[in-house]
Amino acid sequence: EVQLVESGGGLVKPGGSLRLSCAASGFTFSSYSMNWVRQAPGKGLEWVSSISSTSSYIYYADSVKGRFTISRDNAKNSLYLQMNSLRAEDTAVYYCARDSSNWYGIFDYWGQGTLVTVSS
Amino acid sequence: QSALTQPASVSGSPGQSITISCTGTSSDVGGSNYVSWYQQHPGKAPKLMIYDVSNRPSGVSNRFSGSKSGNTASLTISGLQAEDEGDYYCSSYTGGSTLFGGGTKLTVL
Repeated sequence: EVQLVESGGGLVKPGGSLRLSCAASGFTFSSYSMNWVRQAPGKGLEWVSSISSTSSYIYYADSVKGRFTISRDNAKNSLYLQMNSLRAEDTAVYYCARDSSNWYGIFDYWGQGTLVTVSS
Repeated sequence: QSALTQPASVSGSPGQSITISCTGTSSDVGGSNYVSWYQQHPGKAPKLMIYDVSNRPSGVSNRFSGSKSGNTASLTISGLQAEDEGDYYCSSYTGGSTLFGGGTKLTVL
């Protein structure tokens, strides 16, 4: 059974940093591109970042470019999101999602999400 | 890039059919075969319902169907059931990034 479990969310002050993790199981993690998608309270989905299976290709939404860094460790079946210079507008539930098409934005499995709250 | 445009809400009675539209541009929906639809229930993660404009993942009811014409994609749900109530989001791959619609709240009356 495919499972994605996010962790690392919490309360952080504006300007602070946080590192999210996503532990994957039940599939060959190293064969799939992975993504982070977020959802602000009461709002819609927003794609944040994607990373190819071998980390050769990485993309970010303009809203997080220069502040967030996506990475992965295929040996540990884990995906990460390093978030720096956090702003109030980064407050959201962050989901990791597997791309079944391996690049074309078809997110067939999602984690349960981890809440990040940026507030003083 | 701006989010894809979806109606804020739609509603229908059990057994009826409804259609949710998703309007973008020639740079995203109009120029992409990688349009997907997701269903989300309150407090839950999104679930993939349609991919590649009109394909259903295994396990998704054939009451759900997708199509595209020009810059607008559509999700049709036939034979509405109470469990279909929730939020629906379209998405389009746009060359390295994925653009989501603003979401549509479906109410089953």
